[in-house]
Amino acid sequence: GNSVTQMEGPVTLSEEAFLTINCTYTATGYPSLFWYVQYPGEGLQLLLKATKADDKGSNKGFEATYRKETTSFHLEKGSVQVSDSAVYFCALSDSNSGYALNFGKGTSLLVTP
Amino acid sequence: GAGVSQTPSNKVTEKGKYVELRCDPISGHTALYWYRQSLGQGPEFLIYFQGTGAADDSGLPNDRFFAVRPEGSVSTLKIQRTERGDSAVYLCASSTLTGGGTEAFFGQGTRLTVV
Repeated sequence: GNSVTQMEGPVTLSEEAFLTINCTYTATGYPSLFWYVQYPGEGLQLLLKATKADDKGSNKGFEATYRKETTSFHLEKGSVQVSDSAVYFCALSDSNSGYALNFGKGTSLLVTP
Repeated sequence: GAGVSQTPSNKVTEKGKYVELRCDPISGHTALYWYRQSLGQGPEFLIYFQGTGAADDSGLPNDRFFAVRPEGSVSTLKIQRTERGDSAVYLCASSTLTGGGTEAFFGQGTRLTVV
């Protein structure tokens, strides 16, 4: 079956540091890949996505590239801000599961001034 | 516009009781999903509706859990004979159509506590 593994947190960084959150997946088909974010006190929201191999998703300075050869979708940001403090979830979906999302466990990020 | 609305936001119930959790999706969204999120975990899929019918209920943990969407809009997740292990945040999401890359919009969730 499908599964997503992401690095465990919490991750603590100073403002302007470089961020990488690793995500790898297992899938039988050709999934779409997502990063969702949950800010404190808010609901889950889509951060970025990629629907096929070698696609790069980007939003708010975050990027992730769909790497089929390494089954990875690592999240990166060159310079984090305090406002980026949140929990980040890697997820996949494919037609076999009705496009329901299969999430990783989440990675908590705390950015300090 | 209005997002996905879930009520109640919090529910405390006694073990063995019956509970109903409501989800009001974004107007026009045909796909609706229920997830359960336990502390420190990612959301886990429970059930998916396309229109009025449950297209995939493979994530429901047992027959105490049931969900309906009678008119293809509002959905209710029903839990019978609640157990302490049912305590979690129940999330609802909706989307315009099924297809690779379709964005799902999430509600704020219902935090269920079984005491």
